[in-house]
Amino acid sequence: DTAVSQTPKYLVTQMGNDKSIKCEQNLGHDTMYWYKQDSKKFLKIMFSYNNKELIINETVPNRFSPKSPDKAHLNLHINSLELGDSAVYFCASTPLGGATEAFFGQGTRLTVV
Amino acid sequence: DAKTTQPTSMDCAEGRAANLPCNHSTISGNEYVYWYRQIHSQGPQYIIHGLKNNETNEMASLIITEDRKSSTLILPHATLRDTAVYYCIVLIYNQGGKLIFGQGTELSVKP
Repeated sequence: DTAVSQTPKYLVTQMGNDKSIKCEQNLGHDTMYWYKQDSKKFLKIMFSYNNKELIINETVPNRFSPKSPDKAHLNLHINSLELGDSAVYFCASTPLGGATEAFFGQGTRLTVV
Repeated sequence: DAKTTQPTSMDCAEGRAANLPCNHSTISGNEYVYWYRQIHSQGPQYIIHGLKNNETNEMASLIITEDRKSSTLILPHATLRDTAVYYCIVLIYNQGGKLIFGQGTELSVKP
């Protein structure tokens, strides 16, 4: 059973489009995250939600909007996609408090053309 | 910015121990040392963490110096599947779990 699953795995879209990436975790964790890995392979946190409440917002453009319908899901919606948004996006989850083992999804490779 | 420095890359022979160093000279008393790895095209994977005592689990051992300014991750018998980028991260326990990744060490295990 996949602990943290993301869909889709690959996403190719044109500039200006709006797209969503979905994430679900079946671990019963309270905290979920979105990380972005750019072409230089640097991993950087974007958002964190604790039980549906936004905890961390790391100076991400307003075009990115996370949505957490329940504590098992954290989706990422991106408006007006730009070339620079091309990256691999990882979802992760941790138990309450967040500093124990983090489980990551397999990533969504977004390519904006 | 990451609070750790690691060598950019290392090689290790298959079956030998891989020793990956990490410097964290500005670590605070309440910060833990965490290690994650990322195998190509996969999500990062937790390996181990510790505060000041040495730690061991089924994957690896973590040796932290007495002054806590550096640590070493040891993979006792490296296999080809251990080829990955290894990240050393310092983190305050229960502070939201925000992981700050540096460049990591690219470990190549060779036959």
